[in-house]
Amino acid sequence: GENVEQHPSTLSVQEGDSAVIKCTYSDSASNYFPWYKQELGKGPQLIIDIRSNVGEKKDQRIAVTLNKTAKHFSLHITETQPEDSAVYFCAASRHGLTFGKGTHLIIQP
Amino acid sequence: GAGVSQTPSNKVTEKGKYVELRCDPISGHTALYWYRQSLGQGPEFLIYFQGTGAADDSGLPNDRFFAVRPEGSVSTLKIQRTERGDSAVYLCASSLGGGQDTQYFGPGTRLTVL
Repeated sequence: GENVEQHPSTLSVQEGDSAVIKCTYSDSASNYFPWYKQELGKGPQLIIDIRSNVGEKKDQRIAVTLNKTAKHFSLHITETQPEDSAVYFCAASRHGLTFGKGTHLIIQP
Repeated sequence: GAGVSQTPSNKVTEKGKYVELRCDPISGHTALYWYRQSLGQGPEFLIYFQGTGAADDSGLPNDRFFAVRPEGSVSTLKIQRTERGDSAVYLCASSLGGGQDTQYFGPGTRLTVL
């Protein structure tokens, strides 16, 4: 089955700086790669996703890159703000999502 | 419009008891998923429904876990003879179709087995 590794487990950045979270996956048949943000006591919320026919996607301050040959994808958040503080999960899928273990992003004021 | 809803939000039960967790997906979504999230971990896939049928139940940990979606909308996750290790947040998600369609998650049900 699919296995998704996510790094780092905790990331602390100064407000206004950029944050990068990286994931690798094992199943070359996976073709959909979403990123979710989860706040305490809430369900995961989709922030951006990428499909296997695209190498990069951007939505305002958030971007995702995908390298299918190397089987890794990354989340980039620029100009970080206090409200970006949360746990972020990457996932890979054909049907049911396989999630990474999460990155606790801390934005220091 | 309304998102995915789950009831109850919290459930405390004793070891050995039977529990049912309910999920109301977004109206019109044909695909429904159940996940389990332990503390400090990512959600773990349990089962995927396309319409009324379970298209993939490979994530169910054992035969104490069962899920139904009899009319292709509301789903119920059933756990028999609960164990302390079943304690977790159970998340439901729905998507318009299957495959690469965005999955929208509910707030989850926190299950505690004493």
